[in-house]
Amino acid sequence: KQEVTQIPAALSVPEGENLVLNCSFTDSAIYNLQWFRQDPGKGLTSLLLIQSSQREQTSGRLNASLDKSSGRSTLYIAASQPGDSATYLCAALTRGYSTLTFGKGTMLLVSP
Amino acid sequence: DTGVSQDPRHKITKRGQNVTFRCDPISEHNRLYWYRQTLGQGPEFLTYFQNEAQLEKSRLLSDRFSAERPKGSFSTLEIQRTEQGDSAMYLCASSLAGLAGGETQYFGPGTRLLVL
Repeated sequence: KQEVTQIPAALSVPEGENLVLNCSFTDSAIYNLQWFRQDPGKGLTSLLLIQSSQREQTSGRLNASLDKSSGRSTLYIAASQPGDSATYLCAALTRGYSTLTFGKGTMLLVSP
Repeated sequence: DTGVSQDPRHKITKRGQNVTFRCDPISEHNRLYWYRQTLGQGPEFLTYFQNEAQLEKSRLLSDRFSAERPKGSFSTLEIQRTEQGDSAMYLCASSLAGLAGGETQYFGPGTRLLVL
């Protein structure tokens, strides 16, 4: 059974800092790994999706990497802004399954 | 807007009442998923449909929960005899299944349920 873990559970940084969020998964047989953003009380916004054949994906100030052999993905946020404050979730789509397995998320607070 | 929509966005009910949520997927998507998210946790899978067929149900889906997807379009999730432990955000997602698998799931805004 796939298990996804996110570290840290919470992170507080001053505006302008670069930061890294970590995601680990136990079963490396994945189709893809996806990073989401969730604002308080809201649904999920997809940020980046990395297919199993890819090593990284970039969108603006966000860069996600994938290392299947070690069961890890990272989300790098450059030059953080207060508007980046949210919970970030990673989710793995595992081969043989049709449903996503999510981590518990990292709650990010970027202070002005 | 052609994204996934959910209705209602918020629902407050008293314990013991029945509630029904609706999800409208992206129109050409043949798969539809329901997830539940409680405070401080990631979403957990409940059930999913391919067209009108319910292909998988989680152990989380007790017999008080029932989901349907008539005609393979919108879906409804009904909770009977609600309990306070049912309070959560109910998320719907849809995807277009391909032969290779691994398709992207697109999420709706969720329905937040509070059972008093």
